[in-house]
Amino acid sequence: GAGVSQTPSNKVTEKGKYVELRCDPISGHTALYWYRQSLGQGPEFLIYFQGTGAADDSGLPNDRFFAVRPEGSVSTLKIQRTERGDSAVYLCASSLRLAGGAGTGELFFGEGSRLTVL
Amino acid sequence: AQKVTQAQTEISVVEKEDVTLDCVYETRDTTYYLFWYKQPPSGELVFLIRRNSFDEQNEISGRYSWNFQKSTSSFNFTITASQVVDSAVYFCALSEAPGGSYIPTFGRGTSLIVHP
Repeated sequence: GAGVSQTPSNKVTEKGKYVELRCDPISGHTALYWYRQSLGQGPEFLIYFQGTGAADDSGLPNDRFFAVRPEGSVSTLKIQRTERGDSAVYLCASSLRLAGGAGTGELFFGEGSRLTVL
Repeated sequence: AQKVTQAQTEISVVEKEDVTLDCVYETRDTTYYLFWYKQPPSGELVFLIRRNSFDEQNEISGRYSWNFQKSTSSFNFTITASQVVDSAVYFCALSEAPGGSYIPTFGRGTSLIVHP
């Protein structure tokens, strides 16, 4: 498809387990973002990639969270030793970087991966 | 630091009523971008509009209109003659330019329920 694809759509895991969430952005979009959305809240920024590198990871809550984008396309968000508080919908978005390096274009979001930690 | 406030948590209207969703923002930058997104029950956020800080012209797109006022740091969104399909959560977002990271910061959202 032409949109941002996220897998799995739903993930139920037990406290302490390791989880990987995948994002396949729109082809040609160099910028990729991960957000987390809790019930009744707006998306909360986690990390931003420009190409292969993490340009801003200031939103990652702690060192249990890590994300990679090795070839500048697909990205994986990795959560170690999951906790019940990690339960949320994890949203991925991509955008086309504008001329001059400005990332002011709109973000295109996937449908999210709903993570439930029991 | 940038901040977006959507004071209305939930709005309930009857079909064909007009409704305005409020958005107030805070930023130290003189150049910035404002956005509105719609999140229907399916969950995927859909882009509605982007406005840069130098363009205060109001915009109309069909039943949707946006009122940007720098003097009050507001970027309000009006739906005219609302329809049931407009039921969704609407998010306002702010992205700062030079010196900032262009990463949109979202408000908490306003849930709009349109009754038939």
